[in-house]
Amino acid sequence: KAGVTQTPRYLIKTRGQQVTLSCSPISGHRSVSWYQQTPGQGLQFLFEYFSETQRNKGNFPGRFSGRQFSNSRSEMNVSTLELGDSALYLCASSLASGPPGTGELFFGEGSRLTVL
Amino acid sequence: DQQVKQNSPSLSVQEGRISILNCDYTNSMFDYFLWYKKYPAEGPTFLISISSIKDKNEDGRFTVFLNKSAKHLSLHIVPSQPGDSAVYFCAASAGMNYGGSQGNLIFGKGTKLSVKP
Repeated sequence: KAGVTQTPRYLIKTRGQQVTLSCSPISGHRSVSWYQQTPGQGLQFLFEYFSETQRNKGNFPGRFSGRQFSNSRSEMNVSTLELGDSALYLCASSLASGPPGTGELFFGEGSRLTVL
Repeated sequence: DQQVKQNSPSLSVQEGRISILNCDYTNSMFDYFLWYKKYPAEGPTFLISISSIKDKNEDGRFTVFLNKSAKHLSLHIVPSQPGDSAVYFCAASAGMNYGGSQGNLIFGKGTKLSVKP
């Protein structure tokens, strides 16, 4: 079956701009999570969506937002970009059944954002 | 404040030998631990997990050990193969009563494993 698909794979923006990243989860997966990966901080949890509702949120400023559609596809948006937002943004989907952490997360290849 | 720590950024091992990757955590509310492997230009892939009610879980060449009193877990790869060369991430999750959810994992910064032929 098709894996998690993220678009675009690479993009370059300038400070102050905004960006929207897209994620299509594995068919049947209802939970979509977003992570930011930087060399200094590793993978940091941004937020999780389940059935179009944000179920959990990490410690990121309000400039980072997301949403999930009825077909489970998800988008994340970063407004007023800063240089420090340059990172690999990873989307992960899961079946979302069972206790937290017990379901395997399936990651996409990521969207690499460069902010100049 | 890092709740999951992988203190070794890199590890080099000879093919056929054992690789031991270590991970420490600070939050006693964590009750599930996972290891993910990541190759360059790919997303992380799940490797093995362990519940806090166990102290060992084995899957082929991979074994994870959990020492709750020390808040420490380790991943053993025996024997190591060149294809195991990747970045390994330790991750933890807390129960739902403590803000946990399926997609919310706390990751360490990773350890880059190099297995030399």
